Amino acid sequence: QVQLQQSGAELVKPGTSVKLSCKASGYTFTSNHMNWIKQTTGQGLEWIGIINPGSGGTSYNVKFKGKATLTVDKSSSTAFMQLSSLTPEDSAVYYCARDYGGRRFDYWGQGVMVTVSS
Amino acid sequence: DIQMTQSPASLSASLGETVSIECLASEGISNDLAWYQQKSGKSPQLLIYAASRLQDGVPSRFSGSGSGTRYSLKISGMQPEDEADYFCQQSYKYPLTFGSGTKLEIK
Repeated sequence: QVQLQQSGAELVKPGTSVKLSCKASGYTFTSNHMNWIKQTTGQGLEWIGIINPGSGGTSYNVKFKGKATLTVDKSSSTAFMQLSSLTPEDSAVYYCARDYGGRRFDYWGQGVMVTVSS
Repeated sequence: DIQMTQSPASLSASLGETVSIECLASEGISNDLAWYQQKSGKSPQLLIYAASRLQDGVPSRFSGSGSGTRYSLKISGMQPEDEADYFCQQSYKYPLTFGSGTKLEIK
């Protein structure tokens, strides 16, 4: 069965970076694009960007360009998102979500809470 | 960006009641709309895609409809397990955007 296993919660200091992971199993990793989504109580759900695991090609929400960098490691079927220059506004739950084709998400990771605090 | 205006923000329904949630897009999205259910502390789950197509495994009491800029999700016969947050998402063009959510509770 399809599973997306995300890394654990992070407590990080302002100004630093963090790299989140999302390990896929149960399907051919390169067959589906992977999205990353931010969820906060105040802003709701925000789409960050998408990566094609086969080519490494990416597309970002302009709001997150320069903030998020998406990469993959095909050998381990893992997608990564690095968040840089962290501020308290980056505190959120971040999800990876498989693209089902047609820009919708059929499987989601369990989410990872990132807390930015000094 | 396409703005998705979702209503109501919260809703209370009795068991067996039929409920509807609406999403209004800021421009036409050609039925490229998905609905998700998110239970407390869990990840969202896809219910409906292409405005009206039921995702595999989703109970038939869930249905979607709409066209152009107006879309709705209907739950025909509220069940205890339907207590959750519901979100719409336009899949018409990037950046993909979501509605602000509807909290559905049992009365």
